[in-house]
Amino acid sequence: NAGVTQTPKFQVLKTGQSMTLQCAQDMNHNSMYWYRQDPGMGLRLIYYSASEGTTDKGEVPNGYNVSRLNKREFSLRLESAAPSQTSVYFCASRGPNTDTQYFGPGTRLTVL
Amino acid sequence: AQTVTQSQPEMSVQEAETVTLSCTYDTSESDYYLFWYKQPPSRQMILVIRQEAYKQQNATENRFSVNFQKAAKSFSLKISDSQLGDAAMYFCAYRGFNSGTYKYIFGTGTRLKVLA
Repeated sequence: NAGVTQTPKFQVLKTGQSMTLQCAQDMNHNSMYWYRQDPGMGLRLIYYSASEGTTDKGEVPNGYNVSRLNKREFSLRLESAAPSQTSVYFCASRGPNTDTQYFGPGTRLTVL
Repeated sequence: AQTVTQSQPEMSVQEAETVTLSCTYDTSESDYYLFWYKQPPSRQMILVIRQEAYKQQNATENRFSVNFQKAAKSFSLKISDSQLGDAAMYFCAYRGFNSGTYKYIFGTGTRLKVLA
């Protein structure tokens, strides 16, 4: 039981490049979340998915797209990366009978 | 909209002493949960303690306890017998209910230093 996994752990992009951050959970959770963490800002919600096939915008969705591929996987895509998207990205999941989120280890993304 | 405020960017405590981290929140909801998460240098987010708003009794987990004041919208974390391993960023979080999906709001964090 690996919990929530994220790939890659680190990534450096040039402005304008695209990439997809992968997230998977093996806890059979319905809800999944993507956050970004910036110094002095705490964690801010980018997108979330209440269940397979549904996604909704969070606080800071601009410049991102998401796909809930199946119950296990929730990916975050940057179509044209910008330096303002330099951040640490966390994926999290939550099961139907719990109010607690479980976090992945994070991805540190740098956009030059 | 709900907000979570941590007014102490950084705190220090001597090893074996007690420290209290502050958190206030704003909401018009009556049903919600509050959390404290710890983020050590490894970056992993670790749940420390949670509190249900409808419970008057303060939650306790070993050396960690909370002082939950619902009317004042205050949720502080007390760490007793501080250890070097407690050094980390601590985030207060609020979970409300929105359109059937639980959304979480995090504070900006408090960096705790533990002095030997």
